[in-house]
Amino acid sequence: DVKVTQSSRYLVKRTGEKVFLECVQDMDHENMFWYRQDPGLGLRLIYFSYDVKMKEKGDIPEGYSVSREKKERFSLILESASTNQTSMYLCAILKAQARNTEAFFGQGTRLTVV
Amino acid sequence: GDSVTQMEGPVTLSEEAFLTINCTYTATGYPSLFWYVQYPGEGLQLLLKATKADDKGSNKGFEATYRKETTSFHLEKGSVQVSDSAVYFCALSEGSGGGADGLTFGKGTHLIIQP
Repeated sequence: DVKVTQSSRYLVKRTGEKVFLECVQDMDHENMFWYRQDPGLGLRLIYFSYDVKMKEKGDIPEGYSVSREKKERFSLILESASTNQTSMYLCAILKAQARNTEAFFGQGTRLTVV
Repeated sequence: GDSVTQMEGPVTLSEEAFLTINCTYTATGYPSLFWYVQYPGEGLQLLLKATKADDKGSNKGFEATYRKETTSFHLEKGSVQVSDSAVYFCALSEGSGGGADGLTFGKGTHLIIQP
């Protein structure tokens, strides 16, 4: 089974702090994604990456950046955390083969910015 | 662009009731369709999928049929259990396997099953 691991289940940070959310996969997949999940809004794509050192903006990239220095690790960075970034953050990898696409998610990181 | 619309929740049912969660989609191409489930405190996991018209995905007693003519992929279960309480997400992908095409998700339906 594919394993996607997020470094923290719960985080509490102060406004203005720089925050790193880490995601590690145990398979050799190229495509990795960061989503945030909010009540009533579902999952919204922040950034994704399809290879080492490559990154693409998703639907809501403002206030975030990412880093992909190694294939197995995809980091989400909040340069200066704000209270409106309090949310559940989900990392996923996408295993795509012809029409047989499947996403594997980490367990999520619930971030609270105070 | 692509979009997925699913019924708003929460949906509250009694144990052993019949479940339907509606999902319709808009896509420019010919997508694959998915249902994901999120149990409390966890990430999402794939429940079932269908990759072409009239395909039926099934798992754990849940079923959904890919209806191209009505652009729908409704989730059904004949007899729900308390353990089915979770948030259910309908999703589509137009990825052909070559690039980083992601999934487009609905907003999620919170299902609550009462004993």
